[in-house]
Amino acid sequence: LAKTTQPISMDSYEGQEVNITCSHNNIATNDYITWYQQFPSQGPRFIIQGYKTKVTNEVASLFIPADRKSSTLSLPRVSLSDTAVYYCLVGDNNQGGKLIFGQGTELSVKP
Amino acid sequence: GAVVSQHPSWVICKSGTSVKIECRSLDFQATTMFWYRQFPKQSLMLMATSNEGSKATYEQGVEKDKFLINHASLTLSTLTVTSAHPEDSSFYICSAEWTSNTDTQYFGPGTRLTVL
Repeated sequence: LAKTTQPISMDSYEGQEVNITCSHNNIATNDYITWYQQFPSQGPRFIIQGYKTKVTNEVASLFIPADRKSSTLSLPRVSLSDTAVYYCLVGDNNQGGKLIFGQGTELSVKP
Repeated sequence: GAVVSQHPSWVICKSGTSVKIECRSLDFQATTMFWYRQFPKQSLMLMATSNEGSKATYEQGVEKDKFLINHASLTLSTLTVTSAHPEDSSFYICSAEWTSNTDTQYFGPGTRLTVL
């Protein structure tokens, strides 16, 4: 299973754009990249998923370079409620769909 | 869409008793569900993979006789913590895999278990 590496923590201010980069050097051909958000005492919430290039939805964008060895989650104009832990995971159904969580990035948004 | 529920949301029990936690996919069918455990200030740790109609697959170091998993239908998996002890106190989270070309996992809200 591909291992992911993210910054342990990041600080930002309200209204700023936040970019969290995840490294996954051993990503396999069939792996998708998925990002989750987790608040204290809650289950992780799906944010966005992609395979290559760029994916955008109503809450975030995901940028994946051609070699797919990294990905960047972009949160536009963060607010205080975006303070949470963000996890980047790679996985594929050929390995039973298992997702192995790394330590995640603790984002703190300040007023 | 893609809603997963867990019941109960929290439970307190005495040492030596057994506790059952239910995980349901409310608006989709899930052949595969997963059970995780999370201790304070730590990441999620995968405990086992639950497959509908077959035995669960446990991660290394997880006692299958202590953490009984039953995936009897395409929308329900249960985790039973048998003979619970204080060290089993944790936040238990399930996820259900929405079968598609990407097999995205959607997580339940978690169950806080406290063993006295």
